[in-house]
Order: sequence, then structure tokens, then C-alpha cells
Amino acid sequence: GAVVSQHPSRVICKSGTSVKIECRSLDFQATTMFWYRQFPKQSLMLMATSNEGSKATYEQGVEKDKFLINHASLTLSTLTVTSAHPEDSSFYICSAGSPGQGTEAFFGQGTRLTVV
Amino acid sequence: GNSVTQMEGPVTLSEEAFLTINCTYTATGYPSLFWYVQYPGEGLQLLLKATKADDKGSNKGFEATYRKETTSFHLEKGSVQVSDSAVYFCALYPGGGATNKLIFGTGTLLAVQP
Repeated sequence: GAVVSQHPSRVICKSGTSVKIECRSLDFQATTMFWYRQFPKQSLMLMATSNEGSKATYEQGVEKDKFLINHASLTLSTLTVTSAHPEDSSFYICSAGSPGQGTEAFFGQGTRLTVV
Repeated sequence: GNSVTQMEGPVTLSEEAFLTINCTYTATGYPSLFWYVQYPGEGLQLLLKATKADDKGSNKGFEATYRKETTSFHLEKGSVQVSDSAVYFCALYPGGGATNKLIFGTGTLLAVQP
């Protein structure tokens, strides 16, 4: 299957700083990517749909000014957690492709963010 | 609306035991159904899928049958191994072009003991 690479896999940052997470589709072009946050006890929450060349579509309750998403090319989407706080500590996962686009959904390996 | 309900875990089994993880769904159209697996510290991987009623998806000894009459897609494996320990997510894709989004269940943690 296709490969989606997420970087970094782990990051520790100080409270108040910003952190950028990259999601790359390595062998296919992705007009749409998705960002998830995974909470303790494993439940996945879709945060936003990242659309190449246009603004992201955020799910209800997700602060778009805090979680900045940029999808500048067909192979790269970035999630920036701005002014991070300890409660933003979580596992963030991206995916690219969708059954709606005639492909599977391929997931990155996830990023463990710890804000201290 | 569209939703997925999975059995709560954790599910703890001994090696070679039979596994069933229940999944039921609600959908307004004719969805495609998926099982994803997440190994510790990793992202999700597609385990199997079924795109229409009565289809059976299978992979790595796991299987699930798309049952429209009971709106279910239960995951089964005849003999689990320690290496099957992971979180399993049931998901549906609604189709119809209205959205590209997958709808996930809450996940079920499977722990297989030697």
C-alpha cells in the first residue's frame, strides 16, 4: 500500500511554544489529508480535514487558531500546535487518501506530543 | 446519521483462543466497512474491508462479514497469537459523495497472553 510518513514521531516542548508536525504522502498525491487526535483509552477524534490549496475544514469544537493546518502541496500537510499547553499533550495521527477518492485511507505512524 | 459502535474492551485472551470483537453500525446509505489495527506506538493499518452486503473481508487469519440485516461487521479470528495484541477499530465510509470522512468506533484493546 501507499506510504504516509509523519514527522516527528515524538516531541517534547515547553508550555507556550509552538510545535509543527508534518504529514507526507510519499508515493501518491493527496488532495485531502485528515488530522486525528487520539485520547487515552484509544478513542480517535477527527480534528480537521486538510484540503490542498484551500483552508482546512475543522470539526466542531476544535480551535482552528490553536491547531493551524496548512496543505501547501499535494504531498505535504502540516499541523502546528500554537502556544502549546500540557492539556495539548496527546498522540496526533494524520491520514491521506479516502474511499471517497477511490483509494484506501493510509495513516502515518503518529506523533506523541508532550508539553511540559 | 452515521455511527459505529464497538464492544468495549479490554479483551483479554489466552493464546490460541477464539476472538470476536463486535461492531454494529448505523448508516443512511450503503456504506463500506473496515477494520483497522493499531499496534502500540504506531498509526493505524487497514486490516480488512467489505464494500457491500454479504461480502467477507479477510486478512492474516482475521475475517468479518458485512451483514446488512443485522447492521453488523464483527471481527473474528479462530486462534489468536500474542502478536495480535493491539487496538482494533471498526470504521465505515458512508459513500454517496457527501464526505470523504471515515467514521470510527471507539476502538477495542485486545491483549493476548502466552
